[in-house]
Amino acid sequence: AQSVTQPDIHITVSEGASLELRCNYSYGATPYLFWYVQSPGQGLQLLLKYFSGDTLVQGIKGFEAEFKRSQSSFNLRKPSVHWSDAAEYFCAVGGGYSGGGADGLTFGKGTHLIIQP
Amino acid sequence: KAGVTQTPRYLIKTRGQQVTLSCSPISGHRSVSWYQQTPGQGLQFLFEYFSETQRNKGNFPGRFSGRQFSNSRSEMNVSTLELGDSALYLCASSLTLSSYEQYFGPGTRLTVT
Repeated sequence: AQSVTQPDIHITVSEGASLELRCNYSYGATPYLFWYVQSPGQGLQLLLKYFSGDTLVQGIKGFEAEFKRSQSSFNLRKPSVHWSDAAEYFCAVGGGYSGGGADGLTFGKGTHLIIQP
Repeated sequence: KAGVTQTPRYLIKTRGQQVTLSCSPISGHRSVSWYQQTPGQGLQFLFEYFSETQRNKGNFPGRFSGRQFSNSRSEMNVSTLELGDSALYLCASSLTLSSYEQYFGPGTRLTVT
C-alpha cells in the first residue's frame, strides 16, 4: 500500500529565510507526487505536481520540489518565505488504479509552517 | 474560471440524523472525488464519481454514499451520523476519470453533536 511520511509536524522559519519541507513516500511504481497548501478554514490549493520527466518541478508562489527516486523523497523548497506562506502543507502520492477508477490520493499528516517576523 | 464550490460550508447535525453535502466541479471537469479530513486520521479518500457512476471507494462504511448528476455535480450522503463523522469534507474535481491532478473546494465543515 502506498504511504506518505512528513517527518516534521511543525517548522518555524524567519521571514526571508529559505524553507525545505520533507516528504518521503512508499509506492511500488513510479508515483504521481503533489504538494498542497491549506490555510485555516480553507480547502487545499495545488502548489505543484510531478508526473514524469524533469525531477525538479516549479510551482506557484515561488515553490519548487525535487523528486529523488533513490531516496523516495519529494521535498518542497522556497528560497525566501513570506509571512503569507504560514499554513499547513501536505504532500500526497497517487497512481494506483483499481475497481475501475483511481485509488485516490494518499496524503501525509501535514507540516504546519510558522513564519517568525 | 470558477473553482470548485461546496455547499453548505458549515453544518451541525445530531447523532442518528443524515446529511447531504453538495459539490459543483470546475466547468469542464467530469470527475469528482470526495475526501474526509479529521485531526486524527488526516485526509482520507472516500470515493470518486465519473459519468454518474462511482468508480472507486476508500475504506469507509456503507453509511457513506454519493451520486453524480449529468452536469457532473455531485452529492455526498452520510446516514445515521456518528460523533466520529465530524470532519471537514472536501470535494475535488479533475478533468477526466482517474486523473490525479485534482483541484479542491473549500470544504464543508460537519459537526455532529
